[in-house]
Amino acid sequence: KAGVTQTPRYLIKTRGQQVTLSCSPISGHRSVSWYQQTPGQGLQFLFEYFSETQRNKGNFPGRFSGRQFSNSRSEMNVSTLELGDSALYLCASSYDRGRQETQYFGPGTRLLVL
Amino acid sequence: GNSVTQMEGPVTLSEEAFLTINCTYTATGYPSLFWYVQYPGEGLQLLLKATKADDKGSNKGFEATYRKETTSFHLEKGSVQVSDSAVYFCALSRQGQAGTALIFGKGTTLSVSS
Repeated sequence: KAGVTQTPRYLIKTRGQQVTLSCSPISGHRSVSWYQQTPGQGLQFLFEYFSETQRNKGNFPGRFSGRQFSNSRSEMNVSTLELGDSALYLCASSYDRGRQETQYFGPGTRLLVL
Repeated sequence: GNSVTQMEGPVTLSEEAFLTINCTYTATGYPSLFWYVQYPGEGLQLLLKATKADDKGSNKGFEATYRKETTSFHLEKGSVQVSDSAVYFCALSRQGQAGTALIFGKGTTLSVSS
């Protein structure tokens, strides 16, 4: 079974631009979560989608948004990019929701904002 | 609030040495606990998990026991290999919500030399 895939793997943008990242979950998985990883803040939860609805949201500004499609694929968008948005963005999928579910991570998209 | 504290790294060991990486948590209720590993340039891979007190998770020679009385989930391996060099993250599933958001520790870098 194929793992979680993320595209693109690398991105370079300039301040003020916007960016869209894509995530395809493991086949059959219905929950998709996004995390931001930076050297300073570590791994931080952005949001979770299940059945095309955002179910949980982390403590990030409204510039960060996402959506999930009927085939469970998900996209996240960051508008008006800031230098501090440079990070590795990780997508994770799980079959269902709940604290016991295992999340499986993709390789990430590395975003550099200049 | 919920949080995870890991021992600061880096941890440097010789091949076949014993490994312990300490992890303690603060959480309401009964979280699930996870260890993830991240190899250079890659996403996170689940190493092991435990979903209730006294559960022992194990995989690839690594073990960790969910200790509710000490709120700990220390990672151990009896004999490390060079290929175990990576960053290790302890995490808990956020309790009190119906989602699958993970809260991570800062990560511990392990370097094993031959």
